Amino acid sequence: NAGVTQTPKFQVLKTGQSMTLQCAQDMNHEYMSWYRQDPGMGLRLIHYSVGAGITDQGEVPNGYNVSRSTTEDFPLRLLSAAPSQTSVYFCASSYAGTRHEQYFGPGTRLTVT
Amino acid sequence: AQSVAQPEDQVNVAEGNPLTVKCTYSVSGNPYLFWYVQYPNRGLQFLLKYITGDNLVKGSYGFEAEFNKSQTSFHLKKPSALVSDSALYFCAVRDFPYNTDKLIFGTGTRLQVFP
Repeated sequence: NAGVTQTPKFQVLKTGQSMTLQCAQDMNHEYMSWYRQDPGMGLRLIHYSVGAGITDQGEVPNGYNVSRSTTEDFPLRLLSAAPSQTSVYFCASSYAGTRHEQYFGPGTRLTVT
Repeated sequence: AQSVAQPEDQVNVAEGNPLTVKCTYSVSGNPYLFWYVQYPNRGLQFLLKYITGDNLVKGSYGFEAEFNKSQTSFHLKKPSALVSDSALYFCAVRDFPYNTDKLIFGTGTRLQVFP
């Protein structure tokens, strides 16, 4: 199993540009989520999905869009990048059910200038 | 609202000594608690969890955590620290109501183990 994979590993954007961060998992997990990690703030939930076709907002959803057309893939779209979106982004997945731990991807380091 | 607190930004310990990384929580109902570790430039890795049962939970890499309901704490421990344990550690709690899978993370504690 590859687990949770994310691409790209690094990205530099100019303010106003858009891009998509890719996330895929091969563990047949129902639940997938996107977090951002900023110094001193831990991880904050951006969006999550409990299954194909179902998404919902997390703690900090503004400026981001998601879709879940398949069980495996959960891309995160930045609509119009802003310097405040400079961060490290992690995708995670797990089986449905609150007792299960989440598996994390290696992260994407995004810089917006 | 559910929350977790990690009161120490950094913990320093000498190799071979016991280590403790602190976590306290505030939840409605029974807590589902998790510890994760993040090595430099890597994603988070699951260490252990408390759902129910024994208050002492054993996990990966020789780590364990003690759930204390009266003190609302879930401290991470290891009897003998290794230099390779140096990393960023996160405590997390499952959000309530439990029909979601959302996790709420603490701000993290950096563990530095000195040779």
